[in-house]
Amino acid sequence: EVQVVESGGGLVQSGGSLRLSCVASGFSFSTHSMNWVRQAPGKGLEWVSYISSSGSPKYYVDSVKGRFTISRDNAKNSLYLQMNSLRAEDTAVYYCARDAYGYYMDVWGKGTTVTVSS
Amino acid sequence: QSALTQPASVSGSPEQSITISCTGPSRDIGDYHYVSWYQQHPGKAPKLLIYDVSSRPSGVSNRFSGSMYGNTASLTISGLQAEDEADYYCSSYPLTRNLYVFGTGTKVTVL
Repeated sequence: EVQVVESGGGLVQSGGSLRLSCVASGFSFSTHSMNWVRQAPGKGLEWVSYISSSGSPKYYVDSVKGRFTISRDNAKNSLYLQMNSLRAEDTAVYYCARDAYGYYMDVWGKGTTVTVSS
Repeated sequence: QSALTQPASVSGSPEQSITISCTGPSRDIGDYHYVSWYQQHPGKAPKLLIYDVSSRPSGVSNRFSGSMYGNTASLTISGLQAEDEADYYCSSYPLTRNLYVFGTGTKVTVL
């Protein structure tokens, strides 16, 4: 079964750090670009970051540039999101999503919840 | 990065057809045909419904169809069913900006 599973969410104080992980299975992880997408409570979807299959290039939404770092380990079929200097507005469910061989996301995880307390 | 504009809510009776619009500036949506649509039930992950404006992944009902005219993309749900009650999001990938833009989301209610 093709799937991605996120972990690493939790409660953290404002200014703190958290590292999210996403483990892929059932497909050739090393040939797909990957994304992180988040959804604040009661709000819509917001794309956060993209990483190509090889690890470069990487792209970020303006609001997280300089604070978040996306990375991957193809040997471990894993995607990561290192989140530093967290703010209350980063509170959201974070989804890991596979980039299809095109410009859309075709496999989504169930998400992991990040709560930043101020 | 501004979101694409969708109506906040759309409703319809069972078996009716409804259409959800998704509008934005040409640099975000009109200049490209990389529009996708996602369905999200409460507490669940988004699910891909449509990609490249009008293509449907295998396993997605043919009651869902997509189209585009100018800077506006549309998702039509035909033969509305109770299980279609969910939130729907459009997304575009403006090549020159290297990012995904999502729509504001539309809540579909089946009356």
